[in-house]
Amino acid sequence: DTAVSQTPKYLVTQMGNDKSIKCEQNLGHDTMYWYKQDSKKFLKIMFSYNNKELIINETVPNRFSPKSPDKAHLNLHINSLELGDSAVYFCASSPRAAFNEKLFFGSGTQLSVL
Amino acid sequence: EDKVVQSPLSLVVHEGDTVTLNCSYEVTNFRSLLWYKQEKKAPTFLFMLTSSGIEKKSGRLSSILDKKELFSILNITATQTGDSAIYLCAVKNAGYALNFGKGTSLLVTP
Repeated sequence: DTAVSQTPKYLVTQMGNDKSIKCEQNLGHDTMYWYKQDSKKFLKIMFSYNNKELIINETVPNRFSPKSPDKAHLNLHINSLELGDSAVYFCASSPRAAFNEKLFFGSGTQLSVL
Repeated sequence: EDKVVQSPLSLVVHEGDTVTLNCSYEVTNFRSLLWYKQEKKAPTFLFMLTSSGIEKKSGRLSSILDKKELFSILNITATQTGDSAIYLCAVKNAGYALNFGKGTSLLVTP
């Protein structure tokens, strides 16, 4: 079983559309994250939830809205998609946010906005 | 603002060569430094370093941290084509997230 799974793997859409990416982890971790990786492969934190509570909310357009229905799921909804949103979005989880613990990454969602 | 700087940004070597990848950082309330390898998809964990001077080793890969000079190196000996990947350095402070550098893209040619 995949530990951190994201769907879809690929998403191609037109500018102005609204889309969602889903993430689920079966590791029993308390903390989940969304990272954005741009074309130059730079991984930047966007959001983090700890036990369904938002703990990191970086400077991200408010068109991006995370939702965590329970601690095993963290979804990312994007409104009014723009060309610059094209990137790979990675979901990750860790056992507990404030400790020295590694992140486990999903396989990424490649978003292409046309 | 925390900074993580990796060098070189890219590197091409021949199979069998030894490579050293560098990561320097400026972080408030440093907790740990992690190395990840990214091939096609998800970054996969290599090492976590919290103490200076203690080498972590896994096969042909090794890494060490210098908390006084604020850097870490990742060594790969006897490189193979399967080592071709992006190597990411990340630092954890007292907050909740890992802050990543821009990565070193390594290509090992036959």
